[in-house]
Amino acid sequence: NAGVMQNPRHLVRRRGQEARLRCSPMKGHSHVYWYRQLPEEGLKFMVYLQKENIIDESGMPKERFSAEFPKEGPSILRIQQVVRGDSAAYFCASSPDRTNSYEQYFGPGTRLTVT
Amino acid sequence: KQEVTQIPAALSVPEGENLVLNCSFTDSAIYNLQWFRQDPGKGLTSLLLIQSSQREQTSGRLNASLDKSSGRSTLYIAASQPGDSATYLCAGGSEKLVFGKGTKLTVNP
Repeated sequence: NAGVMQNPRHLVRRRGQEARLRCSPMKGHSHVYWYRQLPEEGLKFMVYLQKENIIDESGMPKERFSAEFPKEGPSILRIQQVVRGDSAAYFCASSPDRTNSYEQYFGPGTRLTVT
Repeated sequence: KQEVTQIPAALSVPEGENLVLNCSFTDSAIYNLQWFRQDPGKGLTSLLLIQSSQREQTSGRLNASLDKSSGRSTLYIAASQPGDSATYLCAGGSEKLVFGKGTKLTVNP
């Protein structure tokens, strides 16, 4: 059973470009979470999704950021018109059926650098 | 609003020592408490999960305890090894994990 997969692992974008980060959850997991780790900061929750639904987006910046988890394919975190402050490591996690446990399994992260 | 604090921020010990990492949280209604390990430039590896109804979990040389009434969790590492060097993170919550900033552990040979 492959772990949580994220791609790309490293992404460089110029200011004003768009960044698309992909996350494939573990097989059998239907819950996906995105977290951001700014330099010298702890991980911060961004958004929680299930297939085709956003459950909690309380940690998402109000502008330029969006997330989806379509019926088919990976979850996508999209950042429009990136700024230098968006430079961070973005981690995706997944978990199985929520009635079992909330244990989250993390991917290796995507390190976004905005130049 | 849940806040998670980890003390100390950094710890350096000689190989073979037993050590304790501390995690405190402000909201005793915390659901789960999960300990992770993060190596430089890498993702998070889940070490132990203490669910709401549990008080401790053990895996190999690791033991984690949870005391909701005092708002504390500890991670005990027995007989530390250089390979244990990493940043250890604790996180509380259910769907939305709240993380501490971590304890950077260095085990010297």
